[in-house]
This record gives sequence, structure tokens and C-alpha cells, in this order.
Amino acid sequence: EDKVVQSPLSLVVHEGDTVTLNCSYEVTNFRSLLWYKQEKKAPTFLFMLTSSGIEKKSGRLSSILDKKELFSILNITATQTGDSAVYLCAVTPPSGSARQLTFGSGTQLTVLP
Amino acid sequence: GAGVSQSPSNKVTEKGKDVELRCDPISGHTALYWYRQSLGQGLEFLIYFQGNSAPDKSGLPSDRFSAERTGGSVSTLTIQRTQQEDSAVYLCASSLQFFGSLDFGDGTRLSIL
Repeated sequence: EDKVVQSPLSLVVHEGDTVTLNCSYEVTNFRSLLWYKQEKKAPTFLFMLTSSGIEKKSGRLSSILDKKELFSILNITATQTGDSAVYLCAVTPPSGSARQLTFGSGTQLTVLP
Repeated sequence: GAGVSQSPSNKVTEKGKDVELRCDPISGHTALYWYRQSLGQGLEFLIYFQGNSAPDKSGLPSDRFSAERTGGSVSTLTIQRTQQEDSAVYLCASSLQFFGSLDFGDGTRLSIL
């Protein structure tokens, strides 16, 4: 069974801090790793990572995948209170697989003013 | 364009009643997922539809839960004889391809009294 583990489970920082969220997986093979941000309602898409070692960047957020060590990190620099949310990662199955994508349990990030 | 639409947004019902939750995916999306999220918890997979293939029902917690997807578009999740532990937010998501990123609806918050 595919397994996705996120750490830490929760994190409290102050505005301006930099945070690193971790997502490790035990999946035989997969097509892509996804990061989502969930505030009050629906998760919103952040990044899709398919290649190892290539950083994806969007403003203060960046993410990278390490297929050899089976993990991904999501970095947020100069955090703001609006970054407070649950951050979810998921792995998608390879083409032709009958599996559906697997989510981790998320990291609850709280940014204090 | 229109995103994933779920209705109702909130549903309060008495224990033992049946409920139907509706999901309108993004037009043209072939993959459709239902997830359940209890307060402070991660996403619990319920069921997955992909095109005309048989749905993956492996996440349905009991035989009181069922779902269908008519014409490859709208999906309905039905919970019969609701129990208090069914109280949660039910999220629907769709994807252009089974391995792609998911677009989530805002969810239905179900409360069983």
C-alpha cells in the first residue's frame, strides 16, 4: 500500500521566519508529487513535481523532489500570517495504474504576527 | 471558467436519515474523487471514478455509503441511515487526467445530530 508521511504535523512560527515542510513517501513508482494549501475550505494547488532535483518556485514558495531519497520539501520564506494553513502533499500513480493518488495527513502551519 | 461545484454547502440532519451530496466536476474532467475530512484530520479517500472504468470503491467506510456518476459528469454520494460519526466535510475533486492535479470543490459540511 502506498504511504505518504508529512512532517512536522504542526508548526508555529512568527512572521518573517522561513519554514521547511517535509513529505516522504513509500511508493513503488509514481508519476508526480503534488503540493496543496488548504485554508478554510478547498485545497488549492501549489506545485506538481515530476523530475528529481528541479526546483519549482512561486513567489516566496518553492519545492523540490528527491526521487533517490524519496522525499520532497516545501519551503516558505519570509512567512506571513496569510500562509497559515494545512499543507498537503500527494503522489499520483503512473500511467496505466489502477491506483488512485495518495495524500499525506498534512502539516498545520500557524504564522503568528 | 467554472470550478468544481458541490451542493449543498452545509447539511444538518438527524441520525438515521439518508443524505445525498452532489458534485459537479469541471467540464471535460474524466477523473472524479470523493474525500472525507474530519475536523483537524487529513483527507480520507472514499471513491474514485475514471472515465468509463469501474469505480474504485475501496475507501468507502461501510455499505451505508454509495456513489454514482451519471454520464461521466455529475456525481452523487449517498449516505444511508446516517450516524454521528459521519459528521465531516465531504470534498469532491476532479482532474483532467487520472494522474493530474486535482481541482477541489468547497465541500459539503455534514452535521448529524
